[in-house]
Amino acid sequence: EAGVAQSPRYKIIEKRQSVAFWCNPISGHATLYWYQQILGQGPKLLIQFQNNGVVDDSQLPKDRFSAERLKGVDSTLKIQPAKLEDSAVYLCASSLVAGNTGELFFGEGSRLTVL
Amino acid sequence: AQSVTQLDSHVSVSEGTPVLLRCNYSSSYSPSLFWYVQHPNKGLQLLLKYTSAATLVKGINGFEAEFKKSETSFHLTKPSAHMSDAAEYFCVSTGGGNKLTFGTGTQLKVEL
Repeated sequence: EAGVAQSPRYKIIEKRQSVAFWCNPISGHATLYWYQQILGQGPKLLIQFQNNGVVDDSQLPKDRFSAERLKGVDSTLKIQPAKLEDSAVYLCASSLVAGNTGELFFGEGSRLTVL
Repeated sequence: AQSVTQLDSHVSVSEGTPVLLRCNYSSSYSPSLFWYVQHPNKGLQLLLKYTSAATLVKGINGFEAEFKKSETSFHLTKPSAHMSDAAEYFCVSTGGGNKLTFGTGTQLKVEL
């Protein structure tokens, strides 16, 4: 079974530029998550989708971050304009159902460096 | 609100010796608790989970954890460390809606 796919794996940009990350979850997984993992910290939830609807985006900096999952399958996370503090690994995860099981399947992440 | 505290940012053990990674949780109700492992440049992988059934939970690769309500702890243990166990380990809690709260992580180093 194919896992969660993310691209690009690495991206280096200058501040004020824009960047987009793509995620394809495990087939059939209704719930998709984007996490931000800053060096030395645990992952922090940015946004959670259930199919193509947003369940939780309370920690998404909406002035610069946006995410969509238009057809309820793959998803894109965009940052525009980027700041130095956005340097992090962006993790995508998916789960079969929303609920209190905590069994998320993670991709390998997209590492962003903002110069 | 629920949270977890990982008491050690780095743990170093010799191969073949026991592993103990400590985690305390804070919650106003019985949480669900998990341990995830992250190998370098790899995605996070679920090791084990506690969801109010047996307090001693067995996971993959010989790891286990015990939920102790009186101590609000959920420490991860393994009787004998292997070189392949070197990774970062995250203690995680969730209170509902599958929203996970991660600890800051413990880097496990295994030496020959």
